[in-house]
Amino acid sequence: NAGVTQTPKFRVLKTGQSMTLLCAQDMNHEYMYWYRQDPGMGLRLIHYSVGEGTTAKGEVPDGYNVSRLKKQNFLLGLESAAPSQTSVYFCASTNTLQGDNGYTFGSGTRLTVV
Amino acid sequence: AQSVTQPDIHITVSEGASLELRCNYSYGATPYLFWYVQSPGQGLQLLLKYFSGDTLVQGIKGFEAEFKRSQSSFNLRKPSVHWSDAAEYFCAVGARAAGNKLTFGGGTRVLVKP
Repeated sequence: NAGVTQTPKFRVLKTGQSMTLLCAQDMNHEYMYWYRQDPGMGLRLIHYSVGEGTTAKGEVPDGYNVSRLKKQNFLLGLESAAPSQTSVYFCASTNTLQGDNGYTFGSGTRLTVV
Repeated sequence: AQSVTQPDIHITVSEGASLELRCNYSYGATPYLFWYVQSPGQGLQLLLKYFSGDTLVQGIKGFEAEFKRSQSSFNLRKPSVHWSDAAEYFCAVGARAAGNKLTFGGGTRVLVKP
């Protein structure tokens, strides 16, 4: 009963380095999302996917790329990390067209860019 | 575009006292509305949701929320707070369209005094 699993849980990057955050869900959910959480700003949507092979931009997509090659995985990439990308990143998924079941969230990845 | 405002950044309440967290939303149609709770270092857990019908909805952990269309509000309440309710609470509005994107408020951090 894993739900949504995010790896890694913590990471420190130097400015300019790249990395990929992995989100895996075992619930056969169609819709997947990447959010970033910053103090006082709640969660802001970076990118999302409405199905395998599809991605779309959210509210704050700049500096990030995503891929959904398999239904169960949603990858978030940072090509050249910047200190402004220091944040906690959450992946979420849902299974209904209307989203009325709410989201299932992962436990987050805390990223620090120095 | 939808938006959510949580006017209270912090609330301190005594154990056993009642709690009310405010949420105001902006959305052009009837929204999906959610409350999530986040314990320290954890992901978000769904407390309750509203999408139609009875405007008073019951959730887990003894929480309830009331949808008031005339006030564009969806306030969360609990009659008697327990120390384990100390956490951050997020209100979210969902878009009834492809993508099911949730927009979150900035969060309210609840501190429970013994």
